[in-house]
Amino acid sequence: DTEVTQTPKHLVMGMTNKKSLKCEQHMGHRAMYWYKQKAKKPPELMFVYSYEKLSINESVPSRFSPECPNSSLLNLHLHALQPEDSALYLCASSQEDGAGAYNEQFFGPGTRLTVL
Amino acid sequence: TQLLEQSPQFLSIQEGENLTVYCNSSSVFSSLQWYRQEPGEGPVLLVTVVTGGEVKKLKRLTFQFGDARKDSSLHITAAQPGDTGLYLCAGAGYSGGSNYKLTFGKGTLLTVNP
Repeated sequence: DTEVTQTPKHLVMGMTNKKSLKCEQHMGHRAMYWYKQKAKKPPELMFVYSYEKLSINESVPSRFSPECPNSSLLNLHLHALQPEDSALYLCASSQEDGAGAYNEQFFGPGTRLTVL
Repeated sequence: TQLLEQSPQFLSIQEGENLTVYCNSSSVFSSLQWYRQEPGEGPVLLVTVVTGGEVKKLKRLTFQFGDARKDSSLHITAAQPGDTGLYLCAGAGYSGGSNYKLTFGKGTLLTVNP
């Protein structure tokens, strides 16, 4: 099973709402990632969790708050977002986040977020 | 900071034609991954190349990793409309200090017309 699942598929929220994105993998991977992707652009790394601990925060605004409840789950809590935060949010996982030659990242289908 | 230059950015061809996409960097990567992404979906991993000079084939797709592990190419033979999508190369390595992560190229948006 090389599947990463994400819910919801689509999300529309107002600037005062609080919502959460969820990601799950059952491949036994110990590294999980959040990316943001604008149309026709490459994914931009937001956060990396390694063994359930936050290892990289790419200077993401505090209105995005990641959480890793266990080794299979990754959440992204959203609060007071801006319209420019509208994008495809991708979750990915890999065996480890280190320099292993085969630490390929497997992506989920994404959540299409629209902020009104 | 590692950079990965991908070209061309846009490519529109007729069914049956061949094409090559290039990714180049001045940095050495421990591995390089190629993804294909369709609109509204996540990137799907096509292949990972690890060894300098390595060539991998996936049906009509041929991937090559440069000898110095700084560049890679994707060649598609006899392209089909189903090959349409955004192709992304991503190099794995240390960027900005001790952070090990993927550096993405800007992507190649391929359209194959019937």
